[in-house]
Amino acid sequence: QQQVKQSPQSLIVQKGGISIINCAYENTAFDYFPWYQQFPGKGPALLIAIRPDVSEKKEGRFTISFNKSAKQFSLHIMDSQPGDSATYFCAASYTGGFKTIFGAGTRLFVKA
Amino acid sequence: KAGVTQTPRYLIKTRGQQVTLSCSPISGHRSVSWYQQTPGQGLQFLFEYFSETQRNKGNFPGRFSGRQFSNSRSEMNVSTLELGDSALYLCASSSYSGGANEQFFGPGTRLTVL
Repeated sequence: QQQVKQSPQSLIVQKGGISIINCAYENTAFDYFPWYQQFPGKGPALLIAIRPDVSEKKEGRFTISFNKSAKQFSLHIMDSQPGDSATYFCAASYTGGFKTIFGAGTRLFVKA
Repeated sequence: KAGVTQTPRYLIKTRGQQVTLSCSPISGHRSVSWYQQTPGQGLQFLFEYFSETQRNKGNFPGRFSGRQFSNSRSEMNVSTLELGDSALYLCASSSYSGGANEQFFGPGTRLTVL
């Protein structure tokens, strides 16, 4: 119940294309769903996050779509750029839970 | 503001030894969480500290322990090292405890156990 399942494991997208990464969760107590971006040799950095009271959040080229009934959320990267090549992690946590559960990660490669 | 700092950045130990890793959170942040990152298991939660109290612990053996000091700096210790402990150990700080808020990660300590 504490798991967050992320797919795909890896993704190759052409420059200018749309990258889509999906996550699913079981625990309905989760109330915070962040996405982190990690470059080699660096720690993860928060990209964008959503709470379950909204179905979509957009920040620049990055959009989270959230489906509460299906217990799924996804990250869309519009106009993907080679600089977006990194590993992306979805995560989930809940107020008072004192821990964050991470998905397994998706390695994105954007071809120039 | 300075980011989260972790020392040392790289560490090589042999089986059976023990190791202590250090984390300094962002100034003003009182919550520190530790994670183990490996290619096979991804990011696994180790524990979270807030105001010197451990609030939660992940599914790791008792060889993994931690503490937090009054200035919010935190240390984690791994005793009797095993080959499988080789990993990147990440520390994250947050201004609030209890999950459901942004965490800021340090660059990690790369531990290699020979």
